Amino acid sequence: AQTVTQSQPEMSVQEAETVTLSCTYDTSESDYYLFWYKQPPSRQMILVIRQEAYKQQNATENRFSVNFQKAAKSFSLKISDSQLGDAAMYFCAYVVRDMRFGAGTRLTVKP
Amino acid sequence: DAGVIQSPRHEVTEMGQEVTLRCKPISGHDYLFWYRQTMMRGLELLIYFNNNVPIDDSGMPEDRFSAKMPNASFSTLKIQPSEPRDSAVYFCASSFMSPQETQYFGPGTRLLVL
Repeated sequence: AQTVTQSQPEMSVQEAETVTLSCTYDTSESDYYLFWYKQPPSRQMILVIRQEAYKQQNATENRFSVNFQKAAKSFSLKISDSQLGDAAMYFCAYVVRDMRFGAGTRLTVKP
Repeated sequence: DAGVIQSPRHEVTEMGQEVTLRCKPISGHDYLFWYRQTMMRGLELLIYFNNNVPIDDSGMPEDRFSAKMPNASFSTLKIQPSEPRDSAVYFCASSFMSPQETQYFGPGTRLLVL
């Protein structure tokens, strides 16, 4: 069974600082894709970043980057220069044939 | 690009009533997904379609739930009869060419069954 674990239900960061959200997953597949989605209070699910498992290079999208450790089955999200607008639920997700989500991490950004 | 469109945005109904949720995927996307989000169970995939054909409905909770995709630009998720435990946010998402491509989500429908 595919499972995604986000061990931090809540995280807090000071504005302009850096925060890392953790995600681990369990799979026997070798070809899969990993995602981070953001869900602000509006409930809209917004793609943050996508990583193909066959690529060794970590994906980066502006202030957002991932640390993908395939052997460890770890896929953490780093947010640099945190902004108030980054406050949201963040979901890690894994796809082989269908998407499985973690339980989410609620990020608070303090001014 | 209008994105994925869902209607209604909010629905309040009484137990036993039929509820129909609607979704218009992004034009050109050939995969469509229905998800349910609750506090207890998080985000769950209910069913997904490829080129209007249901591929995997193993996440549909029970026979009270049904989903259709009569054409490439429209899908419905129906609950009949509805129960209070069906209260949740229902999301529709679509992707191009593969479920492994980025899935774009609609704004969701918040359903409350009294």
